[in-house]
Amino acid sequence: GQQLNQSPQSMFIQEGEDVSMNCTSSSIFNTWLWYKQDPGEGPVLLIALYKAGELTSNGRLTAQFGITRKDSFLNISASIPSDVGIYFCAGRSNAGGTSYGKLTFGQGTILTVHP
Amino acid sequence: NAGVTQTPKFRVLKTGQSMTLLCAQDMNHEYMYWYRQDPGMGLRLIHYSVGEGTTAKGEVPDGYNVSRLKKQNFLLGLESAAPSQTSVYFCASRQGMREQYFGPGTRLTVT
Repeated sequence: GQQLNQSPQSMFIQEGEDVSMNCTSSSIFNTWLWYKQDPGEGPVLLIALYKAGELTSNGRLTAQFGITRKDSFLNISASIPSDVGIYFCAGRSNAGGTSYGKLTFGQGTILTVHP
Repeated sequence: NAGVTQTPKFRVLKTGQSMTLLCAQDMNHEYMYWYRQDPGMGLRLIHYSVGEGTTAKGEVPDGYNVSRLKKQNFLLGLESAAPSQTSVYFCASRQGMREQYFGPGTRLTVT
């Protein structure tokens, strides 16, 4: 089955620093998504990417859909304490003509921001 | 709108007990999903539904059953709970080309 490898597993940074994390896949995805999960809450969509090579920003967040369709990157600039949480990548393919929107999730990156 | 709600928020079961988790959405979404989240493993799809009265297996369906009798509700059942089912369970819903919208989760412990 499809697998996503997300790295790093955890990050400890100082407020104001930039953050980078990425996901790689053994197979092609047609959609890449980045979610954030706060403690005790469900994942919330941050950025959605639908085209290879696409670069999309959402405030201080920027994500890119890799040209090979097998990877994606998320950058957070000038981190603040409320950026703390778990960040997940997720990929979706249309292999086999499935239309139910099955997502494959990465293992998550735990981000800690020290004031 | 309440979005996606899940009941209960927490539950402790003994091995062999049964229970049902309820997911409700008020957005008239067609698609609904049940995931489990375990440390270091991301979210894994248990079962999903593409519409009222339909259900299908995801990647980790064993030990779980589901029902979608009403469009707004998606129930996840554990007939005989096992310690391996200790996890956080998330429900999600989706409509058309929009992305999945997640509920707040149910934390289940099986002793």
